[in-house]
Amino acid sequence: AQSVAQPEDQVNVAEGNPLTVKCTYSVSGNPYLFWYVQYPNRGLQFLLKYITGDNLVKGSYGFEAEFNKSQTSFHLKKPSALVSDSALYFCAVRDTNNAGNMLTFGGGTRLMVKP
Amino acid sequence: DTEVTQTPKHLVMGMTNKKSLKCEQHMGHRAMYWYKQKAKKPPELMFVYSYEKLSINESVPSRFSPECPNSSLLNLHLHALQPEDSALYLCASSQTTGTLADTQYFGPGTRLTVL
Repeated sequence: AQSVAQPEDQVNVAEGNPLTVKCTYSVSGNPYLFWYVQYPNRGLQFLLKYITGDNLVKGSYGFEAEFNKSQTSFHLKKPSALVSDSALYFCAVRDTNNAGNMLTFGGGTRLMVKP
Repeated sequence: DTEVTQTPKHLVMGMTNKKSLKCEQHMGHRAMYWYKQKAKKPPELMFVYSYEKLSINESVPSRFSPECPNSSLLNLHLHALQPEDSALYLCASSQTTGTLADTQYFGPGTRLTVL
C-alpha cells in the first residue's frame, strides 16, 4: 500500500529566505507524486507533479520540488519565501493499485512565513 | 482553464433537513470526486465517478447520496446528517481515472455546518 509522510507539522521561515517542505513516500512501482497548497477556507490548488524525467520539477508561484528516488523523497522548495506563501501544503502519491485515480495524502505541513 | 466551481460556499442545516451540494466543471473531464475534509487534516475520499457512473464509494453512510446528472455536474445530496458531518466538502475532477499522470483539480469547497 502507498503511504506519504510529511514529518513536520509546521515550518517557520523568514520572508526572503529559502523554504523547504519535506515529503517522503512509500510505493510499489513507479511513484506519481503531487504537491497541493490550501489557503484558509479554500480548496486545494495544484502546484506541481512528478511523473518521470527530470528530478527537479518546476511548478506554480515559483515553487519547485526535487525527486530523490534513493531517499524516496519529494521535497517542495522555493528560493525566496513570501508572506503570501503562508498556507497548508499537502504532498500526495497516486494510488497505482486501483483504477480510481485515488490519491494518498500526507498529513499536511503548515508553512508560516514571517515578515 | 482549470476551474471547478462549487455551490453554496457555506451551508448550515439541521439534522432533519435535506440539502444538496453542487459541483461543476467545464474542462471536459470525465472523472469527478467528492472529498470530506476536517480542519487541519488531509481530504478524505468519499466517492469517485467515472464517465458519469459511480466507480468508488469509500463506505460512506447512506445519508450522503451522490449523483452525476451529466459529465459536467456532480451533486451530493444530504439527508439526516449528524453534527460530526460538519466539514469542508471538496469536489475535484480529472481527465479520467485510468491515467496515472492525471491531475485532480479541486473546487473551493462548501463549508457545511450541521446543527
